[in-house]
Amino acid sequence: DGGITQSPKYLFRKEGQNVTLSCEQNLNHDAMYWYRQDPGQGLRLIYYSQIVNDFQKGDIAEGYSVSREKKESFPLTVTSAQKNPTAFYLCASSGQGVGGYTFGSGTRLTVV
Amino acid sequence: SQQGEEDPQALSIQEGENATMNCSYKTSINNLQWYRQNSGRGLVHLILIRSNEREKHSGRLRVTLDTSKKSSSLLITASRAADTASYFCATDSWGKFQFGAGTQVVVTP
Repeated sequence: DGGITQSPKYLFRKEGQNVTLSCEQNLNHDAMYWYRQDPGQGLRLIYYSQIVNDFQKGDIAEGYSVSREKKESFPLTVTSAQKNPTAFYLCASSGQGVGGYTFGSGTRLTVV
Repeated sequence: SQQGEEDPQALSIQEGENATMNCSYKTSINNLQWYRQNSGRGLVHLILIRSNEREKHSGRLRVTLDTSKKSSSLLITASRAADTASYFCATDSWGKFQFGAGTQVVVTP
């Protein structure tokens, strides 16, 4: 089955540590996205990539970094520079001629 | 900043009733999409309506789009307890997607 997989589902980290969230898709989609969702709020775009080896900052990129070395993979690193990293992180992908995004099931990051 | 703004923020109805929620946006769009999110899960794409379309149906879902008013509505007919979720609109403005804050719908048996 084609889909998009995020791991882990839950992640706990100490303040000051970097952490990397995984996102893998086997849909052959060119574009991939990372969103952050805070309780009771909508999604805010962190980074997106429309093609391998290229990515762009979204609305709230500060304190985050990404890479896109393979079409299937778009990992997100939450760095210690991110002031309020505790949130629900969603990865999505989209393809040419395909309506809408396909979302992963999310990673809930808690920094203590 | 958020392009789409959903209204109401929350909605509570009984099974069998219809649920209507609205989305307003600010700039020109290629298309508008509606998504559902169950608690703690990812978003599921429900329906896409293009800027040259006025109405679209999918099962118990009916979406309208009024580009002159920059607004869209999602109607869920004959609601079920399983429809309990948050519903988000997302606007696509030439590849730039923006999501609203969502409408939380609770359907009670």
